Amino acid sequence: QKEVEQNSGPLSVPEGAIASLNCTYSDRGSQSFFWYRQYSGKSPELIMSIYSNGDKEDGRFTAQLNKASQYVSLLIRDSQPSDSATYLCAADYYGGSQGNLIFGKGTKLSVKP
Amino acid sequence: NAGVMQNPRHLVRRRGQEARLRCSPMKGHSHVYWYRQLPEEGLKFMVYLQKENIIDESGMPKERFSAEFPKEGPSILRIQQVVRGDSAAYFCASSPPGGGGNTIYFGEGSWLTVV
Repeated sequence: QKEVEQNSGPLSVPEGAIASLNCTYSDRGSQSFFWYRQYSGKSPELIMSIYSNGDKEDGRFTAQLNKASQYVSLLIRDSQPSDSATYLCAADYYGGSQGNLIFGKGTKLSVKP
Repeated sequence: NAGVMQNPRHLVRRRGQEARLRCSPMKGHSHVYWYRQLPEEGLKFMVYLQKENIIDESGMPKERFSAEFPKEGPSILRIQQVVRGDSAAYFCASSPPGGGGNTIYFGEGSWLTVV
């Protein structure tokens, strides 16, 4: 069973702090990894994609990938109350068709003013 | 630039009725995917379609569920004889032809409630 595991949270951080979200994946063949943000009752919104080991930065967001440890993380710098949402980690299903992603259940982030 | 459009946004059906969910992909996108999100669960892949072709239906329940993406018009996810366990959010996603196929963009979702 191919899985993506995330801590469900909630993760609570004060405004302006760094929020650190983590996930692990079971399929060693996975090649592409994604972070989505989902507000309650809304659709998942793509924040970051990462394909190579190391860090990828985009504004306040940094994604980190370690394929040897099968570990993906998302750092949110200068967290804002508007960042409060559920963050979904996803990995491609190796051997599956394109667009067949395995999602974690999400980590709920709460940023306190 | 319109995103992925889904309708209806909310649908209530009695047990045994049929539910039809529609999805128009983002402009320029030719690949459509359907995902289901059960309460307190992660998103689960159901099916991947291109125009007039089902490419991968490995996530579709064996019975009562079907999907199509006709040459003209939106993609449709059809659930026959709905049961309470079908109550979920159904998200459609799309991606452009060519590279980046795993980068998919979701629509606003259709929330199905079976009573």
